[in-house]
Amino acid sequence: QAVVTQEPSLTVSPGGTVTLTCGSSTGAVTSGHYPYWFQQKPGQAPRTLIYDINNKHSWTPARFSGSLLGGKAALTLSGAQPEDEAEYYCLLHYSGPWVFGGGTKLTVL
Amino acid sequence: EVLLVDSGGGLVQPGGSLRLSCAASGFTFSSKWMTWVRQAPGKGLEWVANIKEDGREKYYADSVKGRFTISRDNAKNSLYLHMNSLRTEDTALYYCARPVEGYWGQGTLVTVSS
Repeated sequence: QAVVTQEPSLTVSPGGTVTLTCGSSTGAVTSGHYPYWFQQKPGQAPRTLIYDINNKHSWTPARFSGSLLGGKAALTLSGAQPEDEAEYYCLLHYSGPWVFGGGTKLTVL
Repeated sequence: EVLLVDSGGGLVQPGGSLRLSCAASGFTFSSKWMTWVRQAPGKGLEWVANIKEDGREKYYADSVKGRFTISRDNAKNSLYLHMNSLRTEDTALYYCARPVEGYWGQGTLVTVSS
């Protein structure tokens, strides 16, 4: 199965902007991969933030946005808050099987 | 209110079997694809399997193919994961989920150890 890659860790200053990316070993990430983004804090179940590239849920803060950028899926956080410190996972669909990325540990410091 | 309640986890010896269950409520279970996701201790999320609304299409991660079977009973609003030939590397918290709508169970812990 494909391998999905994410930055292992990133740091952002409070109020700052950061972009997390999600790449595929099979080539460019496209809309056909229906990229999802999840947030997970220690001891909690994952929470779906973004689905199908850039669709948000009612609980997704407006400061999070999804896109396709340079052949990858991207999650941009604009105006980081301390409560955004968490692990972030992307998920790509491969016409049947799904594959998670390894996760990005985001530190707000 | 949407609820997914995972159960059935426990301690099992290598080579053993276990069946996980997920009781769904608060949405039309019979019209939704469903998913199992797992997370080994201190590790990332791993997709395990998907099943179509009517149970006729199923997909598995290579790591579990041939050993795990996903199934559902729409009359009981329940999702299952039958796990055979368990290995120590299957030790994880297993979540029932409908990720696109943000539905996640609380997880049930499976520990494979002698």
